[in-house]
Amino acid sequence: AQSVTQLGSHVSVSEGALVLLRCNYSSSVPPYLFWYVQYPNQGLQLLLKYTSAATLVKGINGFEAEFKKSETSFHLTKPSAHMSDAAEYFCAVSDLYGGSQGNLIFGKGTKLSVKP
Amino acid sequence: DTEVTQTPKHLVMGMTNKKSLKCEQHMGHRAMYWYKQKAKKPPELMFVYSYEKLSINESVPSRFSPECPNSSLLNLHLHALQPEDSALYLCASSQQQGSSNSPLHFGNGTRLTVT
Repeated sequence: AQSVTQLGSHVSVSEGALVLLRCNYSSSVPPYLFWYVQYPNQGLQLLLKYTSAATLVKGINGFEAEFKKSETSFHLTKPSAHMSDAAEYFCAVSDLYGGSQGNLIFGKGTKLSVKP
Repeated sequence: DTEVTQTPKHLVMGMTNKKSLKCEQHMGHRAMYWYKQKAKKPPELMFVYSYEKLSINESVPSRFSPECPNSSLLNLHLHALQPEDSALYLCASSQQQGSSNSPLHFGNGTRLTVT
């Protein structure tokens, strides 16, 4: 069965500091991986996705993630945090052959706080 | 602005009421989804419609009844809900169900409170 684990339910950084949100996946087949962001009182918005084309994936708002098969990881990074980055971030996995029927399985989420 | 529109934004209902949540998209997507999200939790899949046919029902209680009148609309009919059903209900759509090149587009949700 596919799953994702997000390490750290809450991450706090200072404005301008590096953002690193961790995600490890478990999948018996090559996975498709996603990062979504949820701002307060809103739905989820896709930040970026990995679909095997390139291991370093660039997304919106300056975020990027690197797929590392040897570490089964897909960590999200941003070089310099902005106050507007404060939100909940969800890592998700999807596969076309497993029990999820190609639908998304979400991690538990990481709340990012940005201090001025 | 989101391309998936959900109404109403907020809904308060009693346990004997009947109400409906509505979702609309005009992106030509052929898969539509209902998710339930409790506070500080990830979204949980409830239903998936693919080409207007119910594809997945994640063992959701019958007091939740989905309907897909056409490819642009998705409804969730609510009846005899319990207080524990209070949550944010998210609608999403994608070009196809289960395609890696077809990420989900979410609406902003309906905040439901059952009293």
